[in-house]
Amino acid sequence: AIRMTQSPSSFSASPGDRVTITCRASQHISSFVAWYQQRPGKAPKLLIFGASSLHNGVPSRFSGSGSGTDFTLTISRLQSEDFATYYCQQYYSYPQTFGQGTRLDIK
Amino acid sequence: EVQLLQSGGGLVKPGGSLRLSCEASGFTFNTYSMNWVRQAPGKGLEWVSSISSNSVYIYYADSVKGRFTISRDNAQNSVYLQMNSLRPEDTAFYFCAREWEDWGQGTLVSVSS
Repeated sequence: AIRMTQSPSSFSASPGDRVTITCRASQHISSFVAWYQQRPGKAPKLLIFGASSLHNGVPSRFSGSGSGTDFTLTISRLQSEDFATYYCQQYYSYPQTFGQGTRLDIK
Repeated sequence: EVQLLQSGGGLVKPGGSLRLSCEASGFTFNTYSMNWVRQAPGKGLEWVSSISSNSVYIYYADSVKGRFTISRDNAQNSVYLQMNSLRPEDTAFYFCAREWEDWGQGTLVSVSS
């Protein structure tokens, strides 16, 4: 199975900060990567698909990049509602796999 | 508006069975693949199973293969997850998802004696 390794696993930031989360795949997966946001007690929400395409209705402060094995999710100016846990996912092959998650807390 | 309404979770003893249901509305159900994902309390996301729009292609995680069965009824706009031989490590919130765009509200499955 393809392993997706996210970093960092958690960190603190302030509203207005620019933050970047990285995800590394254990093998080449082209651009078959999605990013999700999950708030406590809620279902995940799709943010980015195809490594860099913004899902409908997602604010433009979210962006994704990368291809091959290295991917990033960037939030350009953090807002209060962005403090949540973020997951990457590869859908290049089965079994589809998720990263372990990155928890983003308010500093 | 896309809605995925889940039902069927609960408490079951090890070795028992449960059937989860996910009823869809707001889109043409028979044109989308569907997925099940689970999340143990306080843990990350784990893909469980996927089924194509016409049920031709079905996939399972190794952790559930041979015990869980995914199915769908396009006439009823529903996807199901039949879970047999349940183990304590199957305890989790289970989510259905329309491809990966929309998710159900989740349902808790607890396996404990």
